[in-house]
Amino acid sequence: RKEVEQDPGPFNVPEGATVAFNCTYSNSASQSFFWYRQDCRKEPKLLMSVYSSGNEDGRFTAQLNRASQYISLLIRDSKLSDSATYLCVVNPPNAGNMLTFGGGTRLMVKP
Amino acid sequence: DAGVIQSPRHEVTEMGQEVTLRCKPISGHDYLFWYRQTMMRGLELLIYFNNNVPIDDSGMPEDRFSAKMPNASFSTLKIQPSEPRDSAVYFCASSWRGRVVGELFFGEGSRLTVL
Repeated sequence: RKEVEQDPGPFNVPEGATVAFNCTYSNSASQSFFWYRQDCRKEPKLLMSVYSSGNEDGRFTAQLNRASQYISLLIRDSKLSDSATYLCVVNPPNAGNMLTFGGGTRLMVKP
Repeated sequence: DAGVIQSPRHEVTEMGQEVTLRCKPISGHDYLFWYRQTMMRGLELLIYFNNNVPIDDSGMPEDRFSAKMPNASFSTLKIQPSEPRDSAVYFCASSWRGRVVGELFFGEGSRLTVL
């Protein structure tokens, strides 16, 4: 079983739609969770951290369910510029700053 | 401020040749990571350093791969001899212990094609 699993997509949505991605992780002792964004042929960049109580950053909402070991990302009012691959990322226990990345979910927002 | 700098950006080589990828982390960062990305396997951690010391190299595929960090501002990833299955984008990333865990700063990557 992969440490971090995501549906690769692609998710094709119209502008203005709400879309949600889920991700599961295998190590129940993992402490920190993140979403990264990767544009086509570019490097990954941190989008947002995921806190136990859930957190929002503008149109983006991240949630963590420790009991079920999954993380979600909700994007409201999708923009064309949201088209990218979204990577679910976990910091395993006792790993310092090392991160494990999921395979990514590709989002395509259409006009 | 300069970000993580990688070179070369693109490399095309023939099977059996030696490949050396270079990375300059952000000044002041004490962690350096080498990742490899392919369509099939996604982003895989190869090795990471803390204060120039290799901490975990369990992701290095085999003895053909080696990485060094002779000082805080430079690291290399070497593949010798290279094989077609090594074709991938190799990313270097750095971070600082003092920052929130989880924010890695990636270079633009080195796209390697082995024929």
